[in-house]
Amino acid sequence: QLQLQESGPGLVKPSETLSLTCSVSGGSVNNRNYYWGWIRQPPGKGLEWIATIYYPGNTFRNPSLSGRVSISVDTSKNQFSLRLDSVTAADTAVYYCARHRGAYINDYYNPAFFDTWGQGTRVTVSS
Amino acid sequence: EIEMTQSPVTLSASPGERVTLSCRASQSVSGYLAWYQQRPGQAPRLLIYDVSTRDTGIPARFSGSGSGTEFTLTISSLQSEDFAVYYCQQYTKRSAWTFGQGTKVDIK
Repeated sequence: QLQLQESGPGLVKPSETLSLTCSVSGGSVNNRNYYWGWIRQPPGKGLEWIATIYYPGNTFRNPSLSGRVSISVDTSKNQFSLRLDSVTAADTAVYYCARHRGAYINDYYNPAFFDTWGQGTRVTVSS
Repeated sequence: EIEMTQSPVTLSASPGERVTLSCRASQSVSGYLAWYQQRPGQAPRLLIYDVSTRDTGIPARFSGSGSGTEFTLTISSLQSEDFAVYYCQQYTKRSAWTFGQGTKVDIK
């Protein structure tokens, strides 16, 4: 059974870098049938997709965040990671990692919907 | 960016009732739409994808329909565990996956 678990600091200072890791069990991040993504949810608000990666390194980033976001995969640890630079209070949220299942979209195989989620990790940006 | 608008924001209903949630896209997303359920304090859970395909283990009381820009999620008979927030998500465009703002189903 696939399980994902986020880890990282719960508090980050403004202007610093937020770094989170998602550990995957019951599946492999180098399985080329799947993509792996990050989604966040500010307090009391809805869901926002952040970034997605496909082994060995194809990445997709939300254009509204792309200048600050990087995503990577570590197959030796079966993990994938998120970095968000120059954080502000607006980046305070619960961050989820998820498996981003692929599907044929208009004849091309692309990431589609999120079929398995981690429990989420709360990150607060504050001095 | 394709904007997803859900209505109503909050829906009050009683156990056993049939409820219908709506999701509208700012442009056509064809049949590339998913629904998620988020219970308080939990991560979202995939219910339905490709408009109407239930994910593994999802009860048959959940059904989805629609096409183009208008979609609905129907719960045929509300159970206590169904009181939650529901989100739609479109996946028609790569690197532009977007969610609706959610509909909260609470107890009348």
